[in-house]
Amino acid sequence: NAGVTQTPKFQVLKTGQSMTLQCAQDMNHNSMYWYRQDPGMGLRLIYYSASEGTTDKGEVPNGYNVSRLNKREFSLRLESAAPSQTSVYFCASNRDFGEKLFFGSGTQLSVL
Amino acid sequence: GQQLNQSPQSMFIQEGEDVSMNCTSSSIFNTWLWYKQDPGEGPVLLIALYKAGELTSNGRLTAQFGITRKDSFLNISASIPSDVGIYFCAGQRSGNTGKLIFGQGTTLQVKP
Repeated sequence: NAGVTQTPKFQVLKTGQSMTLQCAQDMNHNSMYWYRQDPGMGLRLIYYSASEGTTDKGEVPNGYNVSRLNKREFSLRLESAAPSQTSVYFCASNRDFGEKLFFGSGTQLSVL
Repeated sequence: GQQLNQSPQSMFIQEGEDVSMNCTSSSIFNTWLWYKQDPGEGPVLLIALYKAGELTSNGRLTAQFGITRKDSFLNISASIPSDVGIYFCAGQRSGNTGKLIFGQGTTLQVKP
């Protein structure tokens, strides 16, 4: 049982490049989330998907798009990366809102 | 922006010492959660609190949900080297679609 799996683990981009972070969970969870972690800022919610077929903006959605491909997968896309998007990105999931959140191990992204 | 104030920001203690950290908010929360993040990993839930005044223990960890519902603390007794990591508080308000708001984190280092 892998839990929440994120890929890639590390990525370096040049300003303006695009990329997609992948996330998959094998726990049959309904809700999935993308957070970014920056020093001194804690974890901030970028986007979330309450259930398959729905997505909503979180606290810091600008510059990102998401796709809930199916119940298992929730991807995060940077269309035109900016240095301000240098961060550690975490995907998380839970069975339903308000229940225990399970996190992936993170993607460290650097935008030069 | 950030709505939870977590302190202290960092701690460097001797093995065997007790540790205390807390979170305060200007808003009421219905759930308080404490997570620990090991280096290079995602956060893992330590303790969940669902009721004002609730005091819950998990091994050497004890957490309390403040009576005012605007604060929570986490205590670690008799610290050991594997307690090293970043500790996050997180709060959830009712009717907030399950989204968590995280504190800035407390970085704990333990000297053997």
